[in-house]
Amino acid sequence: QQNVQQSPESLIVPEGARTSLNCTFSDSASQYFWWYRQHSGKAPKALMSIFSNGEKEEGRFTIHLNKASLHFSLHIRDSQPSDSALYLCAVLSNTGYQNFYFGKGTSLTVIP
Amino acid sequence: ETAVFQTPNYHVTQVGNEVSFNCKQTLGHDTMYWYKQDSKKLLKIMFSYNNKQLIVNETVPRRFSPQSSDKAHLNLRIKSVEPEDSAVYLCASSYGTGGYEQYFGPGTRLTVL
Repeated sequence: QQNVQQSPESLIVPEGARTSLNCTFSDSASQYFWWYRQHSGKAPKALMSIFSNGEKEEGRFTIHLNKASLHFSLHIRDSQPSDSALYLCAVLSNTGYQNFYFGKGTSLTVIP
Repeated sequence: ETAVFQTPNYHVTQVGNEVSFNCKQTLGHDTMYWYKQDSKKLLKIMFSYNNKQLIVNETVPRRFSPQSSDKAHLNLRIKSVEPEDSAVYLCASSYGTGGYEQYFGPGTRLTVL
């Protein structure tokens, strides 16, 4: 079964900082990688995805994927207080059932 | 804008009771899911339902069962709740199985006394 781990568990950064969130997975055949953001008391909402090795940028957010290292990350440039939320990484497993496996999340707090 | 609707928002019940949660999506998706989010915020897939094919996570106890009338609705029934069932239950939908984005509902928080 897919094992997805996130680090750090929590992070406090000042407004304007660059923030990096990490996710590792265990199934080298995984093909789809997503980041979701969940504000307190709200539904998780998809932020960004990447399907092949490399980097993808959308506004202040960048995803890096390195399948050989079983690692992908989310980088937030110019962090804003509105970015304060739980960030969940999700990996689609290709072994057994094709379902997403989520990490336990990184709780990000951006201080004004 | 909410397009995946869940009822109720909260439910408090006692051990051994039966509960049902409803989920409806208005996105025209053909795949729906139920997830359990525990107190540590870990999201675990329970069921996925696509074109009348049910895929069950083998770790889900048999007292849990999904019920679907059409591809826009996927309800969750728990036959005899236990204290460890206390959690937030999240419904989601997507265009299909595979790597598609999943759209989540706001969740139903279950407390078992």
